[in-house]
Amino acid sequence: QTVVTQEPSFSVSPGGTVTLTCGLNSGSVSTDYYPSWYQQTPGQPPRTLIYSTSTRSSGVPDRFSGSILGNKAALTITGAQADDESDYYCILYMGGGIWVFGGGTKLTVL
Amino acid sequence: EVQLVESGGGLVKPGGSLRLSCAASGFIFKTYVMNWVRQAPGKGLEWVSCIGGSGTNTHYADSVKGRFTISRDNTKDSLYLQINSLRAEDTAVYYCARDLARTPLNWGQGTLVTVSS
Repeated sequence: QTVVTQEPSFSVSPGGTVTLTCGLNSGSVSTDYYPSWYQQTPGQPPRTLIYSTSTRSSGVPDRFSGSILGNKAALTITGAQADDESDYYCILYMGGGIWVFGGGTKLTVL
Repeated sequence: EVQLVESGGGLVKPGGSLRLSCAASGFIFKTYVMNWVRQAPGKGLEWVSCIGGSGTNTHYADSVKGRFTISRDNTKDSLYLQINSLRAEDTAVYYCARDLARTPLNWGQGTLVTVSS
């Protein structure tokens, strides 16, 4: 069974830089998986930040960036702000019309 | 502006059925793959199903295969999810999402389905 892995939690200082990752329990993540990233705050729908590895969605500030780091997809937030404190989810396209989400990372800014 | 508005959620008994709808506007609906994604209370996101623009191709997560049916009516710019044999673990907010570049990109506000006796 395919499992998409994310750090359960992470913390960053205001103004700092943090990199969240998205991996697979077996194998490496590549651009072929079209990794995408979402931000979600309680009671709100997800907001798309990054799609197709590194393309920023409309209106997303450039301090959010996506990449492949080693064998994982990565979301980097530079100059973290208080309102970046959210849950972050990645999704991978497995082919055959199937997507799988990671379990999410709860980011604390303190 | 892309708008997606879900409806049809509610309280239903275990074993019951429900049909969720998603009304789309602001884009040429028939040209886009559409998705359903759900989120159980306090849990993460789970991709549920997708359907191609013509409605011919459909795909499901293993957890819902055989009980959920996705469909669309391109004359009404609407997406549907028929949910049968509901279980407690189907309790969730159900979101519809427009696909772009193999990503659920634009999201509705969601509709809550609660399965309880």
